[in-house]
Amino acid sequence: DAKTTQPTSMDCAEGRAANLPCNHSTISGNEYVYWYRQIHSQGPQYIIHGLKNNETNEMASLIITEDRKSSTLILPHATLRDTAVYYCIVRVHAGGTSYGKLTFGQGTILTVHP
Amino acid sequence: EAQVTQNPRYLITVTGKKLTVTCSQNMNHEYMSWYRQDPGLGLRQIYYSMNVEVTDKGDVPEGYKVSRKEKRNFPLILESPSPNQTSLYFCASRAGVYNEQFFGPGTRLTVL
Repeated sequence: DAKTTQPTSMDCAEGRAANLPCNHSTISGNEYVYWYRQIHSQGPQYIIHGLKNNETNEMASLIITEDRKSSTLILPHATLRDTAVYYCIVRVHAGGTSYGKLTFGQGTILTVHP
Repeated sequence: EAQVTQNPRYLITVTGKKLTVTCSQNMNHEYMSWYRQDPGLGLRQIYYSMNVEVTDKGDVPEGYKVSRKEKRNFPLILESPSPNQTSLYFCASRAGVYNEQFFGPGTRLTVL
């Protein structure tokens, strides 16, 4: 799976949009971008994933650049409960022997303040 | 409610005393995994299972065993725990290999 690079930490004001970047310059054509988050020592929680088109769900939006070398997770109206570590992961979505393994990096610590 | 449960949530034990951490999911998922999380090392996969009676090693399997006799359960067994297995453990399940993973609440294990 391709390696990802994320900022160590970010701050965001409550009610504002939180934009979390992820660099995955070595991503392959069959690798998807996944985002998970982990709220203080709880189990990681799936947020969203995509291949090349922008995606949106009830939690967030995922913007993937045209060359797919980077992406941005957008939390449109951040709340205090969104304070967490956010992980960007890229993984193969067809074939291979990964059998569902997700390789988590260090992630971005997002702090939402009042 | 769809969920992955783990028991116990917290455990303090001594070196060499066999223990089992249970994991159960109620979503009829085929795939289940165990991870450990350590400061500075992130989440690392210990073992995974693709279906009943089908298991394989992850990245850090040494010192652990698993079994998958029923689809819903995937216990993690430490036959002879050692202090370096002190960690936060997560069980996870998913419907298919490319589906989102659902994680349990975690088990914090301390081996003295």
